[in-house]
Amino acid sequence: AQRVTQPEKLLSVFKGAPVELKCNYSYSGSPELFWYVQYSRQRLQLLLRHISRESIKGFTADLNKGETSFHLKKPFAQEEDSAMYYCALGGTGGGNKLTFGTGTQLKVEL
Amino acid sequence: NAGVTQTPKFQVLKTGQSMTLQCAQDMNHNSMYWYRQDPGMGLRLIYYSASEGTTDKGEVPNGYNVSRLNKREFSLRLESAAPSQTSVYFCASSLYGYTFGSGTRLTVV
Repeated sequence: AQRVTQPEKLLSVFKGAPVELKCNYSYSGSPELFWYVQYSRQRLQLLLRHISRESIKGFTADLNKGETSFHLKKPFAQEEDSAMYYCALGGTGGGNKLTFGTGTQLKVEL
Repeated sequence: NAGVTQTPKFQVLKTGQSMTLQCAQDMNHNSMYWYRQDPGMGLRLIYYSASEGTTDKGEVPNGYNVSRLNKREFSLRLESAAPSQTSVYFCASSLYGYTFGSGTRLTVV
């Protein structure tokens, strides 16, 4: 069974500090991984996907198959980064199903 | 460009009442999904539809039914609401990555 683990429910950092949101996955095939962000009481938005290898809003994430991780990183946190972040794993079944982690609430303090 | 539209945004039900959550997308996506979001549990898949005319159970289907009315619309029905179904419900559609609706906040008392 596929599984996504986000070990931190809450991560609190100061503005300007580096951010790393952890995500580990369990999957037997070739994974497709995503990060979604949800700002307060808004809909979830795609932040980035590993296959595109892009940087969005200063965030990057590298897929490490050896450690089965897809950690989200940003060198300097901004106040507007405060949000809930979900890591998601693409499935093998039909319909492009995603399995989501439990989420990490990022709080950037001044 | 509406994307994914969900109605209603808020609903309060009494235990045992029924209701249907509506979802429509205008992006011509084949796949559509219903998730529920609960604190500490993330998003859990209720049902999904890989294409028009097909539906399949997800992780937590009990107490729910769905209808893929056409390519645009995918509805979720609660036949007899229970307090355990108090949650925020999100509809999504996908091509390469998901587009989510704005959610329905449902409270069952």
